Amino acid sequence: QSVLTQPPSVSAAPGQKVTVSCSGSSSNIGSNYVSWYRQFPGTAPKLLIYDDFRRPSGIPDRFSGSKSGTSVTLGITGLQTGDEADYYCGTWDSGLRAVVFGGGTKLTVL
Amino acid sequence: DVRLVESGGGLIQPGRSLRLSCTTSGFTFSDYPMSWFRQAPGKGLEWVGFIRIKSYGATTESAASVKGRFTISRDDSKSAAYLNMSSLKVEDTAVYFCSRGVSTFDRWGQGTLVTVSS
Repeated sequence: QSVLTQPPSVSAAPGQKVTVSCSGSSSNIGSNYVSWYRQFPGTAPKLLIYDDFRRPSGIPDRFSGSKSGTSVTLGITGLQTGDEADYYCGTWDSGLRAVVFGGGTKLTVL
Repeated sequence: DVRLVESGGGLIQPGRSLRLSCTTSGFTFSDYPMSWFRQAPGKGLEWVGFIRIKSYGATTESAASVKGRFTISRDDSKSAAYLNMSSLKVEDTAVYFCSRGVSTFDRWGQGTLVTVSS
C-alpha cells in the first residue's frame, strides 16, 4: 500500500489531454515539494516535473504540474503514443522521514 | 554528460550480504547527495535511502524496510556511492537504482538486478 495514492491507469486518445492525480496528506504533499517521473518498461525513471510544477530543461511544455492542498496533478497535452509509460509522483514525508511514492499510473494512448 | 552506473547485482542466497556500487561521472560528485531505490518485479518504485554530502556529515536516512540491514556510504575520491546489503531476504529481490539528490532525483542509473533465492 503506497503512501501516495494514484489511479492505476488512465487513457486518452492521441492529441488529447490527460491528467494523473496523486493524493497524500499534510505530512507529505501538503508540506513538501512533489516530483513526477516517467518510466518506460525496463528502463530507469526520468524526472518530468519537480517542485510541484517546474520542468527540467528538455522536458516539453506539454507536461505540467499543479498542486492544491494535499493533492497534485500531472497534466499531459497533445498525447502521443510515445507517452505510453508508467508515471509516478514522489515527495518527502516529514512524519515518516522517508521519500514516498505513489503506486504508479499506467498511461495508455488509445 | 552526467552518467550513473550501478553494478554488483546478481543471484544471492537468503541471509547473505552484497554490495552494490554506483559509479558516476560528468558532475562534481562531492556536491550531491545520493539516493538508492529499488523496484521489485512488476511493482512500483521504493525508496531505499540516501546519503548526504560531506559538509552535512555524510549522514544517511533509510527506509524502515531496510533499516539495520542496509547501509549507504560514499567515496568522494572515487565519485561513487555504495549500498551495503546484509541479511538479504527473498523480498529484497528487485532492480536497484541509484540517483542524484534527496528530494528531486534528476539523474538515474540504469539499475542492477538483485535476485535473492536459494
